[in-house]
Order: sequence, then structure tokens, then C-alpha cells
Amino acid sequence: NAGVMQNPRHLVRRRGQEARLRCSPMKGHSHVYWYRQLPEEGLKFMVYLQKENIIDESGMPKERFSAEFPKEGPSILRIQQVVRGDSAAYFCASSRRESAYEQYFGPGTRLTVT
Amino acid sequence: GESVGLHLPTLSVQEGDNSIINCAYSNSASDYFIWYKQESGKGPQFIIDIRSNMDKRQGQRVTVLLNKTVKHLSLQIAATQPGDSAVYFCAENIRIQGAQKLVFGQGTRLTINP
Repeated sequence: NAGVMQNPRHLVRRRGQEARLRCSPMKGHSHVYWYRQLPEEGLKFMVYLQKENIIDESGMPKERFSAEFPKEGPSILRIQQVVRGDSAAYFCASSRRESAYEQYFGPGTRLTVT
Repeated sequence: GESVGLHLPTLSVQEGDNSIINCAYSNSASDYFIWYKQESGKGPQFIIDIRSNMDKRQGQRVTVLLNKTVKHLSLQIAATQPGDSAVYFCAENIRIQGAQKLVFGQGTRLTINP
């Protein structure tokens, strides 16, 4: 049973470009959570999605950031017009049900904005 | 506000010694706490959890203690090994308006000296 998959593992973008981060949850998991981690800091919740629904986006910046989890395919975190401050590690976690008890994390995508 | 913090950002111990990592939290309504281990370049890995109606839980070489009176959480690692070197995060599960999310602390970097 494969774990949570994220790709790409490393992404370099110039300021103003778009970044698209993908997360494939564990098999049988229909709940996805995105977190951002700055160097030497803890993970900060961004958004919680179920298939085709955004449940909680209280941690998402109001502009430039969006997330989706379509009926088919991976969850996508999209950052438009990236700025240097967007450089961070972005982690995805998935669970079978709405539960913090069973969140499994992926290896993360490290975004560098130059 | 909601916050989970750590008393010490770094901790060095001799191989074979016991280590204790501390965490303070501020949300009295948290019903569940988790310790994660994060190795360099990887996503957080679940170590052990504890529900708010418990004060102690033991795993393999690890023990989590919860003191709700002073809102304090600790992780004890017995007989530390080189593979225990990592950053350790505590996280609390909070419920806001029907949704749940994890709030992470800043992290403690544990170094095991040979």
C-alpha cells in the first residue's frame, strides 16, 4: 500500500510564475490536508479538502493560492504569481475520514522562488 | 489565541541516555495530542498520540505525558539511539466550527551524541 505521494519533490520557480503542487492520497483516503513549513518552523495548516469540496481553507492566503481535490486525480495546490516569501516546504496529508488521528504525511514539495 | 509552543528549540543527549522533549499548549478545548518526528528532507512521521482524557501513554521506547492543569505535554524517549536524531513536533487537534485541524508547535531538534 503506497503512502502519500507528492510531486514534484523540488520545484524552482521565478517570481511571477505559477507553481502547481500535486498530492496523491493513500489508497482509500478521501480527505486531504495541505500544510506549509518554513525553515526551522513547525507546519502551518492551510486547507482541508474532501473529494470535490473545500471543507476548511482558513489557513490559505486570500490571494494567489487555491486548492482542489477533484473526483478523479490528485489534489492540487496552486500558487499564482509566486513571490520569494512563498519559498517553503509544502506537505500534504491524507486520512480515511475526518480525523487528526489518522493523518499520514507525504514527503513534501520544496518550492524555491528565485 | 491558539498556539502550541516548545520550551527548548534544541536538545543534545548522549547515546543511550533518556531524553525529554517538552511542549506547552494554550487551547483548553484540544481533545487529542500527537508527537511527530521529522527527519531532514522528509515529512512528519507519527510517533505517539494521547487523548485529552488520559495523562500517560506508553509506546516502544517512548512515553507521552499530558498535564492538562498546566497545559503541558512531554515526550520521553528511553535509551536514545543515533536514529532518534530529528526534529520533534507536538501537535494538538482543535475543532473550530465543526472542522478539525492540527496545530503544530515550533519543534525541538534532538541530537544524539555518540
